[in-house]
Amino acid sequence: DAKTTQPPSMDCAEGRAANLPCNHSTISGNEYVYWYRQIHSQGPQYIIHGLKNNETNEMASLIITEDRKSSTLILPHATLRDTAVYYCIVGTSYGKLTFGQGTILTVHP
Amino acid sequence: DGGITQSPKYLFRKEGQNVTLSCEQNLNHDAMYWYRQDPGQGLRLIYYSQIVNDFQKGDIAEGYSVSREKKESFPLTVTSAQKNPTAFYLCASTEDSSSTNYGYTFGSGTRLTVV
Repeated sequence: DAKTTQPPSMDCAEGRAANLPCNHSTISGNEYVYWYRQIHSQGPQYIIHGLKNNETNEMASLIITEDRKSSTLILPHATLRDTAVYYCIVGTSYGKLTFGQGTILTVHP
Repeated sequence: DGGITQSPKYLFRKEGQNVTLSCEQNLNHDAMYWYRQDPGQGLRLIYYSQIVNDFQKGDIAEGYSVSREKKESFPLTVTSAQKNPTAFYLCASTEDSSSTNYGYTFGSGTRLTVV
């Protein structure tokens, strides 16, 4: 299973864009990149996923490099409610996802 | 609304007792999963099931057991053989486990404490 590397923590000012990086240099051709977030003591929430093209939905944008070895999750206008742990995950066979320790994003007023 | 229901939200167990955590989904998802989360840590896979009456061990299955008699239900039993059961337990489901083109839906979790 491909593994991911994320910074342990990041800060962002409210109203600014939050850009969360993720390295996944061993990703294989048919594996997707997923992003989830977890607010304290709740279940993780799906944000977005992609294969090789950039993706956007109502929550965020996902930028995947051309070589697919890294990606960036963008929250365009961060709010205090976006403070959470963000997990970057690469899809494994049979749908099993392996969660690392993620990035703690703190949004400041 | 469709979703995953985990119960109870908080559970206390005496040492040496077995306890069963409930997970029910009405999403008509094929695959279901149990994860364990310890403070400050990521999620670790305990067991997963891709179809009814079939399940596989995850990375930390020792001391746990599961059943999948119905598509919508995937209960987890924490047995007395689990040496350190105090943790946050999360259940998840996905539409088609044979493809990685689907995200997971998670329940709200059960916090188990051994007293």
